[in-house]
Amino acid sequence: NAGVTQTPKFQVLKTGQSMTLQCAQDMNHEYMSWYRQDPGMGLRLIHYSVGAGITDQGEVPNGYNVSRSTTEDFPLRLLSAAPSQTSVYFCASGGVQAGSYNEQFFGPGTRLTVL
Amino acid sequence: GNSVTQMEGPVTLSEEAFLTINCTYTATGYPSLFWYVQYPGEGLQLLLKATKADDKGSNKGFEATYRKETTSFHLEKGSVQVSDSAVYFCALRENYGQNFVFGPGTRLSVLP
Repeated sequence: NAGVTQTPKFQVLKTGQSMTLQCAQDMNHEYMSWYRQDPGMGLRLIHYSVGAGITDQGEVPNGYNVSRSTTEDFPLRLLSAAPSQTSVYFCASGGVQAGSYNEQFFGPGTRLTVL
Repeated sequence: GNSVTQMEGPVTLSEEAFLTINCTYTATGYPSLFWYVQYPGEGLQLLLKATKADDKGSNKGFEATYRKETTSFHLEKGSVQVSDSAVYFCALRENYGQNFVFGPGTRLSVLP
């Protein structure tokens, strides 16, 4: 049981490049989410999904796309990278029990630098 | 909207000192409350949680009590260790809601 896995761990991009951050979980969780972590600002929600085929925007969605074709995978796409997207990105997942969402389990993070 | 406020860090303590990290929240409903811990270079791990008023969450010597009257969930530990050095995040989730709201985090450094 690997939990939540993320790849890559580190990435450097040039302004305007695109890339996909991968996230997978093997806990059969319905809920998956992407956060970015910036100094002094905690974690901010980018996008989330409550099941395959269902996605929605969080607090800071601009410049990012997501899709959820399977329960396990929830990739985050940067369409045209900008220096303001330099951050640490965390993927998280959580299950539902008795109609209530449980705590989230976090991946190890991807540190992205945009030059 | 919902929000979480934490005391600003960094907090620096000597080993075996008493720790308090303050957390207060604003929520429209009746949220569940969480403390997460992030060790250097790692993702966040759940430390403890409380799902209703007056509940006490505890784990690894840490405790926090859900105080609805003061909208607070302060984290305490009686005797900190060097290995407790990390960033601590307070968070809430509305009951029957999906998304979490995190505080900005408080960095704790424990010196031997």
